[in-house]
Amino acid sequence: GAVVSQHPSWVICKSGTSVKIECRSLDFQATTMFWYRQFPKQSLMLMATSNEGSKATYEQGVEKDKFLINHASLTLSTLTVTSAHPEDSSFYICSASHRDRAETQYFGPGTRLLVL
Amino acid sequence: AQRVTQPEKLLSVFKGAPVELKCNYSYSGSPELFWYVQYSRQRLQLLLRHISRESIKGFTADLNKGETSFHLKKPFAQEEDSAMYYCALGGGETSGSRLTFGEGTQLTVNP
Repeated sequence: GAVVSQHPSWVICKSGTSVKIECRSLDFQATTMFWYRQFPKQSLMLMATSNEGSKATYEQGVEKDKFLINHASLTLSTLTVTSAHPEDSSFYICSASHRDRAETQYFGPGTRLLVL
Repeated sequence: AQRVTQPEKLLSVFKGAPVELKCNYSYSGSPELFWYVQYSRQRLQLLLRHISRESIKGFTADLNKGETSFHLKKPFAQEEDSAMYYCALGGGETSGSRLTFGEGTQLTVNP
């Protein structure tokens, strides 16, 4: 149980386009979802926290208008990278916490984004 | 501010040897500490939590508030333990608390 999926697993796009990444909790209701960014050989950096039905809370230094997060249901959150540029190329990982075990996060497999 | 430090980026041991992955934290409140593991080409997964005081795959970790440490230990390392290990700190006050991750330690267990 507690499986989180991400789609797509990798994406290549042209500079200036927008890319949407989906994060789904497959077998549980996720009251909170988190979005992380990971650069090669570095740790996970939290970008934002989203609670179902409310606006996401962004970490300091993360542009809200650049990284749009929507958490419209208890099983789906989306991250849209708007007007992507090569410096946005990274590995994006989502996680979700279960309503009944809020302190534990379950991670998705990640999405590799390459902006040309 | 929350901070997690894993001083060793790389750690290499031989099979059967004891292993200890160090983790120190900085936090003014009541900490919740976790160890996550990422095997090659797999997603990050929870290894253990300090609050549950359980042993998973032979690994244990004790929270030492005096030394602000949460080192991960295993008495006899196995080759399948080779992976990336992340120590993480949670605040614990609210549901779905955010985590602060350390830089990670790449453990290699040699045959």
